[in-house]
Amino acid sequence: DIVMTQSPLSLSVTPGEPASISCRSSQSLQHSSGYNFVDWYLQKAGQSPQLLIYSGFNRASGVPDRFSGSGSGTDFTLKISRVEAEDVGVYYCMQALQDPRTFGQGTNVEIK
Amino acid sequence: QVQLQESGPRLVKPSETLSLTCTVSGGSVTNYYWSWVRQPPGKGLEWVAHVHSNGDTTYNPSLKSRATISLDTSENRFSLTLRSVTATDTAVYFCARHWGLLSHPFDFWGQGMLVTVSS
Repeated sequence: DIVMTQSPLSLSVTPGEPASISCRSSQSLQHSSGYNFVDWYLQKAGQSPQLLIYSGFNRASGVPDRFSGSGSGTDFTLKISRVEAEDVGVYYCMQALQDPRTFGQGTNVEIK
Repeated sequence: QVQLQESGPRLVKPSETLSLTCTVSGGSVTNYYWSWVRQPPGKGLEWVAHVHSNGDTTYNPSLKSRATISLDTSENRFSLTLRSVTATDTAVYFCARHWGLLSHPFDFWGQGMLVTVSS
């Protein structure tokens, strides 16, 4: 299985400040299409996960443009340009290149 | 707007079979992949299995062949059975749709259902 490793596991951010989450995979996630098959999800307390970013850098419908995904190969980053109170929750990266799909451990983002 | 709703027993005895159904409304199950994802209390997410309307199924090997996923196009729903359950199968079970683009991400999710394995 492909192992996904996130860091940090916990992040406390001042509103309006940027935040960055790293995700490293145990093997390259580059698909033959040229896209990297990594997706990012946010799970707010008591809710199901919601899709933020797919295939490396594509924002899902309705996702604010303060969220961006980047990276290639085995190293990926989710950035929030200016954190807002509604961004609190646990962020997961997930590889979609190979079954079984595997998730990172999650990064808990809280507001200072 | 596509909506997914999990249903089934919330309490299952050890060694018995867990059975869940995900009913889809606002869209058809045809021509999409559909998955089950689970989350033990206080822990992270684990993909369980997926099914396509063409009959394709794939399972997480961690389940050691205990799982069966199926899809009923006439009822617009899909199901999961997990045999010989133990306490480690206690989790919130989510059903989700794969969007048919690039990495096929999970674009719609059910609200999740906590299933507890206990005598």
